[in-house]
Amino acid sequence: KAGVTQTPRYLIKTRGQQVTLSCSPISGHRSVSWYQQTPGQGLQFLFEYFSETQRNKGNFPGRFSGRQFSNSRSEMNVSTLELGDSALYLCASSLEGRFEAFFGQGTRLTVV
Amino acid sequence: QQPVQSPQAVILREGEDAVINCSSSKALYSVHWYRQKHGEAPVFLMILLKGGEQKGHEKISASFNEKKQQSSLYLTASQLSYSGTYFCGTESGGSYIPTFGRGTSLIVHP
Repeated sequence: KAGVTQTPRYLIKTRGQQVTLSCSPISGHRSVSWYQQTPGQGLQFLFEYFSETQRNKGNFPGRFSGRQFSNSRSEMNVSTLELGDSALYLCASSLEGRFEAFFGQGTRLTVV
Repeated sequence: QQPVQSPQAVILREGEDAVINCSSSKALYSVHWYRQKHGEAPVFLMILLKGGEQKGHEKISASFNEKKQQSSLYLTASQLSYSGTYFCGTESGGSYIPTFGRGTSLIVHP
């Protein structure tokens, strides 16, 4: 069965721009969660979507937003990029959100 | 607040055992454990729900002591493939908002 697919794998953006990252979950999984991973802060939870609704949200500014489509694919958007947004962005899918989570390979975002 | 993991790093020889601890200042509903190899995605190992249960995954098992608000991951007879960074993720309360430890780097030598 195909795993979680994140695109693109690498991205370089300029400060002030916006970016959209994509995540295709494992077929049949309805929950998609997004995480930011940096050397300084470690792994931090951004938000979780379940059946097209944001169910939980971490402590990130409103510049970070997401959505989920009817096929469970999810996108994450970061507007007005800052240098500190440089990170590995991971998404994970699961059947219900609370149990076994499968991670994608991540999108490495560099803001210059 | 992030849960605190200890130790920060462990170096073992194949066949040795290791214990990684994860402590929280908050009452916990669940604890998740993951392993991440360099340049790869984290891999889910197991989840433990409050109730003091213990779970196993091959030669890796874990316990959850909700009174002490801590969990321990036990790696028995370590293999080279166990090398990586181990993270615990904790959840307090009823909503799924996990908070992760900073990770424990495990290196297994032949």
